Amino acid sequence: DIQMTQSPSSLSASVGDRVTITCRASQSISEYLNWYQQKPGKAPKLLIYAASSLQSGVPSRFSGSGSGTDFTLTINSLQPEDFATYYCQQSYSTPYTFGQGTKLEIK
Amino acid sequence: EVQLVESGGGLVQPGGSLRLSCAASGFTFSSFWMNWVRQAPGKGLEWVANIKQDGSEKYYVDSVKGRFTVSRDNAKNSLYLQMNSLRAEDTALYYCARESRRWLHAKGVLNYFDYWGQGTLVTVSS
Repeated sequence: DIQMTQSPSSLSASVGDRVTITCRASQSISEYLNWYQQKPGKAPKLLIYAASSLQSGVPSRFSGSGSGTDFTLTINSLQPEDFATYYCQQSYSTPYTFGQGTKLEIK
Repeated sequence: EVQLVESGGGLVQPGGSLRLSCAASGFTFSSFWMNWVRQAPGKGLEWVANIKQDGSEKYYVDSVKGRFTVSRDNAKNSLYLQMNSLRAEDTALYYCARESRRWLHAKGVLNYFDYWGQGTLVTVSS
């Protein structure tokens, strides 16, 4: 199985900050990497697919990059509604696996 | 509007069974792979199983193989998860999720979960 490791596990930031979350795969997954946002009590929401493609309706302050084993999610100019937990997921092969999550909190 | 609505969760004793359902609307259900993803209380996301459009291919995470069965009824726009021999560690919120597959120039066909239901809670406890 492909292991996905996110860092950091938690992060404190302020409104207006730029933050970066990293995701590393245990083997090459090309660009089969997706990012989701989850708020408490809600279902996950797709932000980025195929490593760098922005899902329709997602603000452009979200961006993704990477290929192979190393990926990043960047949020520019944090907004109050961005404080949530973020997960990466590989869709290269089953079992599809998620990172452990990064909780983004308000400083 | 795409909607996925799960049902069938509840409290069950260890060793018991439960059948989850996911009712889909707002899209051509028979054209998409469908998935089950679970989340234990306070924990992260874990992919459980998926099924091809016509039901001819099914895949499972190792921890549920031989105990869970994913199925679908395209005439009813419904996805199912039959869960047998339930264990305490199966306690979780179970989501169904639509898997979209898209051809991207120079990248090939990539896949992702673009719509999720709100989940149904399964609690395994005596």
